[in-house]
Amino acid sequence: KAGVTQTPRYLIKTRGQQVTLSCSPISGHRSVSWYQQTPGQGLQFLFEYFSETQRNKGNFPGRFSGRQFSNSRSEMNVSTLELGDSALYLCASSFASGGVEYQETQYFGPGTRLLVL
Amino acid sequence: KQEVTQIPAALSVPEGENLVLNCSFTDSAIYNLQWFRQDPGKGLTSLLLIQSSQREQTSGRLNASLDKSSGRSTLYIAASQPGDSATYLCAVPRSEKLVFGKGTKLTVNP
Repeated sequence: KAGVTQTPRYLIKTRGQQVTLSCSPISGHRSVSWYQQTPGQGLQFLFEYFSETQRNKGNFPGRFSGRQFSNSRSEMNVSTLELGDSALYLCASSFASGGVEYQETQYFGPGTRLLVL
Repeated sequence: KQEVTQIPAALSVPEGENLVLNCSFTDSAIYNLQWFRQDPGKGLTSLLLIQSSQREQTSGRLNASLDKSSGRSTLYIAASQPGDSATYLCAVPRSEKLVFGKGTKLTVNP
């Protein structure tokens, strides 16, 4: 079974631009989560989607948005990029039985490294 | 609010040594705890998931324990190898998200 895939793997943008990152979960997984990882803040939760619905959102500005499609693939978008948005963006998927809390293992993709100049 | 702490932040050991990584959490009402490994610049690889009803979980040279009442988990690595060098993170779920510790960077010297 193929793992979680993320595209692109690397991205260089300039301040003020926008970017869209893509995540394809493991086949059959219905929950997709996004995290931002920086050396200073560690891993911070962005949002989680289950069956095309956002169930939870972290403390990030409205410039960060996401969506999930009917095939469970997810995209996240960052508008008006700032230097501080430079980070590794990680996507994770799980089967998620439908309950509120995670019961299953989370599987992470390789991440998208975003550099904002 | 759930907070996860990992001590030490970095650890360097000689090859062959047995070692323990620590993870503590403030809210003991957890469903499970997951240990991950992260190689530089890469994504996270799940190592072990311990359900709240379990005390231990083993995979090869790795053994993770969970003590909910004290808010602690440990990851025991037996007979460490240079290939074990990586950052190890623990995480607990909270409302459709995982709360992570900052990780322990492990270096195993040949």
